[in-house]
Amino acid sequence: NAGVTQTPKFRILKIGQSMTLQCTQDMNHNYMYWYRQDPGMGLKLIYYSVGAGITDKGEVPNGYNVSRSTTEDFPLRLELAAPSQTSVYFCASSLGQFNQPQHFGDGTRLSIL
Amino acid sequence: GENVEQHPSTLSVQEGDSAVIKCTYSDSASNYFPWYKQELGKRPQLIIDIRSNVGEKKDQRIAVTLNKTAKHFSLHITETQPEDSAVYFCAASTGNTPLVFGKGTRLSVIA
Repeated sequence: NAGVTQTPKFRILKIGQSMTLQCTQDMNHNYMYWYRQDPGMGLKLIYYSVGAGITDKGEVPNGYNVSRSTTEDFPLRLELAAPSQTSVYFCASSLGQFNQPQHFGDGTRLSIL
Repeated sequence: GENVEQHPSTLSVQEGDSAVIKCTYSDSASNYFPWYKQELGKRPQLIIDIRSNVGEKKDQRIAVTLNKTAKHFSLHITETQPEDSAVYFCAASTGNTPLVFGKGTRLSVIA
């Protein structure tokens, strides 16, 4: 099993551009999450999903959108990229309720210039 | 909502010594307390977790203790080794809301 797979691993965007960060998991987990981690800082929850067709905002959702059309995939969309969105983005998944272990992907390092 | 405070923010220990990281939480309904280790440039990885029906859990050199009355839990690493150097995050959840993470502790093990 690959676990949680994120693509791309690195990306440089210009201000105002848009992109989609891809996340897929092969563990049949219902719950999926997107976090951002700024240099030397902790994890901030952007969006989460408890199942296909269901998404909800986390702590820092502004400037991002998500969709969950299948159990496996949970893409994160950045519209009109801004320098403040320079960060490392981690996708994670867990089997059932929120009190289950989360499995993280390797992250996407995104720079907005 | 839940708030998790983690201390200290940085910790340096000599190889072979013990390290203790403490977290407090605010929501008495929280029942799940995981600890994650993040090596430089890598993803967070679960190292141990504890549920509210247990007071202590051990896995080789690491252990976690939970005091529900005081609403705090701690990570204990014994016989520290250089490979233990990383950032450690605690977290808490009631089961009905997403995990809330602490801000992390940077542990340095000096050989």
